[in-house]
Amino acid sequence: EPEVTQTPSHQVTQMGQEVILRCVPISNHLYFYWYRQILGQKVEFLVSFYNNEISEKSEIFDDQFSVERPDGSNFTLKIRSTKLEDSAMYFCASRQGVGNGYTFGSGTRLTVV
Amino acid sequence: SQQGEEDPQALSIQEGENATMNCSYKTSINNLQWYRQNSGRGLVHLILIRSNEREKHSGRLRVTLDTSKKSSSLLITASRAADTASYFCATGRSGNTGKLIFGQGTTLQVKP
Repeated sequence: EPEVTQTPSHQVTQMGQEVILRCVPISNHLYFYWYRQILGQKVEFLVSFYNNEISEKSEIFDDQFSVERPDGSNFTLKIRSTKLEDSAMYFCASRQGVGNGYTFGSGTRLTVV
Repeated sequence: SQQGEEDPQALSIQEGENATMNCSYKTSINNLQWYRQNSGRGLVHLILIRSNEREKHSGRLRVTLDTSKKSSSLLITASRAADTASYFCATGRSGNTGKLIFGQGTTLQVKP
């Protein structure tokens, strides 16, 4: 069964450093997302991406965050200057079309120290 | 309460029993989805029910949706120890963004 692949599975970074989280969505999917889950809390929407542009973003997705789909296969989330409160599990997801369920990746656990 | 609130927060049953989890939401929706998450792992899509549907089945899973009460339930029949996980409902609205709003989840423990 097709999968959404995320790398790395774990990342530890110093506060203030930039991190890039990588995702390879399913090849024929058109809609791409990033969500995050702080330990013990609910899954929160960050951003949706369709037709090579951001279609919606949450209040969490401030100027420190950006997304890119540089080559038609990868979908990246960049955090420019990480804060302690950015520590969370970050999930990438994709779906084929409106009304379809999502396929989520296994997540990247980001720890900011 | 917030969009997509599940109850109970935690549920412990014996293998073979049925498990029922409920979800309530506040705004109008296009669809409601249930996901499963094993500890520290990714989210696995279980089932999607559209706003014009009332009930859906998939294997041992049965989902109901009552849009007048803004609630949904997930029933897992004949539970197994491998069903132990957290279960989340997530609501989706109309439009291209497809943003999902997740609830806090129900932690299910199935004892062998």
